[in-house]
Amino acid sequence: EVQLEQSGAEVKKAGESLKISCKGSGDSFNRYWIGWVRQMPGKGLEWMGMIFPADSDIRYSPSFEGQVTISADKSISIAYLQWSSLKASDTAIYYCARRNYAGHFDYWGQGTLVTVSS
Amino acid sequence: EIVLTQSPGTLSLSPGERATLSCRASQSVSSNYLVWYQQKPGQAPRLLIYGASIRATGVPDRFSGSGSGTDFSLTISRLEPEDFAVYYCQQYGSSLLTFGGGTKVEIK
Repeated sequence: EVQLEQSGAEVKKAGESLKISCKGSGDSFNRYWIGWVRQMPGKGLEWMGMIFPADSDIRYSPSFEGQVTISADKSISIAYLQWSSLKASDTAIYYCARRNYAGHFDYWGQGTLVTVSS
Repeated sequence: EIVLTQSPGTLSLSPGERATLSCRASQSVSSNYLVWYQQKPGQAPRLLIYGASIRATGVPDRFSGSGSGTDFSLTISRLEPEDFAVYYCQQYGSSLLTFGGGTKVEIK
């Protein structure tokens, strides 16, 4: 069974850096795109970008390019989302999700809550 | 970037009633690439419908999707208590994905 296990909740201050993770198990993690989706408090879903771990091909949403960095370590089946300098507006739940060959997200992680205080 | 507009924002209905949710795209979307997700409070989204009309594994047949071009809809034929949730449409064209703003289906 495919599972995506995300790292735990984080509480940070504005200006700090952060890297959260998404570990895949089950079916071959490296053969699928892994996407990141933001959900701000009480708001909808926003696609941030995605990575193909086998070759680290990355696509960013124009809204998030330059704001975050997506990476992966295929040897340990983990994808990452990182910030170099957090803002209070980065407070949100961040989900990773597997994009299957048909193009949609069929498996989702449980989400990582990031809280940034100013 | 294709913008998806969902309506209504909130749908207040009783169990047993029919729900029809709309998703309108700012430009034509291939039916193959229109998806619906369900999200309940405190949970990750769950895939419901892909290819505009194909139910994902385990999704009850009271859920159906239809549409083409710029107009798509999700219908729940008879609402069950567990169906009260937020529903999002999503499209993917080339390498860009976008979500609609969501429709909340609440108990009247």
